[in-house]
This record gives sequence, structure tokens and C-alpha cells, in this order.
Amino acid sequence: AQSVTQLDSHVSVSEGTPVLLRCNYSSSYSPSLFWYVQHPNKGLQLLLKYTSAATLVKGINGFEAEFKKSETSFHLTKPSAHMSDAAEYFCVVSYRSSGNTPLVFGKGTRLSVIA
Amino acid sequence: DAGVIQSPRHEVTEMGQEVTLRCKPISGHDYLFWYRQTMMRGLELLIYFNNNVPIDDSGMPEDRFSAKMPNASFSTLKIQPSEPRDSAVYFCASSPGLAGEYGELFFGEGSRLTVL
Repeated sequence: AQSVTQLDSHVSVSEGTPVLLRCNYSSSYSPSLFWYVQHPNKGLQLLLKYTSAATLVKGINGFEAEFKKSETSFHLTKPSAHMSDAAEYFCVVSYRSSGNTPLVFGKGTRLSVIA
Repeated sequence: DAGVIQSPRHEVTEMGQEVTLRCKPISGHDYLFWYRQTMMRGLELLIYFNNNVPIDDSGMPEDRFSAKMPNASFSTLKIQPSEPRDSAVYFCASSPGLAGEYGELFFGEGSRLTVL
């Protein structure tokens, strides 16, 4: 069964330092991978997506993620954290080979940014 | 476009009462999803529709839960009777196409339900 694992439930960084949120997925020959962000009391918003084009994907607000098939990983990074980045982040997978498959969400990683 | 619109944003009710949550998807989107979010269980898919037809309701927890989509611009999620363990944030999301091809779900801001 398809699955996605977010390795950290909570990450805390200082403002201006790099952000790394880790995500691994169960192996499939054609996954689509996504990162969503949820700010407090808001719905989820798409940050970026990988759909078999370039393995390094750039998203909004300076975030990017790299698809590494050999490691079955799709980690989210940002060079310099901003206070407004504090939110919950969800790694999500979908398998096109399964046809119309709803997205499978990870448990989420809460990012705290310290001034 | 105004995005996905959910109502009410907050609902407080007593155990045993009927609760109806409403959703207006983005115009032109063929798929509509209902999710539930709690601290303990995270984000759970309850049911989704394609062109107003329910495709998969295996995530609906019990017969107390029901969802309808009478037309392309409106959906409801009903809980009858409600119980304290139903307290959660319920999200509606819509999508323009197959989740695997387009991948982007557009979420509403959620309906926070508290059952006393």
C-alpha cells in the first residue's frame, strides 16, 4: 500500500537558519509528490509538487524539494527561515499507476521559528 | 474565484444533535473531498465525489455520517446524532482533475466542530 512517512513531528529552527523537513515514501514506479502547508486555523495550501519532470522542484515562499528515487525521499528545504514560515507541513503522495487515487497525507511536521 | 467556501466556520452543539456542514467547491472542479482533522488521527479522508457521484466513502467512520452532492456547486456532510468524539476540524477540498495528474487540492478554511 502507498504510504508516506514524515520523520519529524516537530522541527524548531532559528530565524535566518536553514530549514529541512524530511519525508520518505513507499516505493512506486511513478509517484507524484507534494508538500502542503497549513497555517494556524487555515486550510492547507500547495507549496510545490513533483510529477516526473525536474527532480529539484521550486515552490512558493523560497521552499524547494528534491526527489531522490534511490532514497525514496522528498525532503523540503529552505535556505533561510522566516517567522512567517511557522506552520504545519504535510508531505503527500499519489500514485498515477493506481488511476484516480486520492492523495495520501503524511502525519505532518510542525515547524517553529525562533526569533 | 473565491476559493472553496465552507460553512459554518465554527459549530458548537450538544451530543445527540444533528450537524450539517456545507461546502461550495471552486467552479469547474470535478472532484470534491471531505477530510477530518484531529490531533490524534491527523488528516483523514472521509469521502470524495467525482461529478457529483460518490466514489469512495470507505473513510466515513459510521452510519451516523452521510454526505451528499446534489449539484456541482454544493455538498453537505451530515452527522446525526453527533457525539463528543466527532469534535474535529472538517475540511472540504476540490480539484480540477485526477489527483494523480493534477495533484492540487484546493482547501476551504474548515469547519471547527465541538460536540459537548
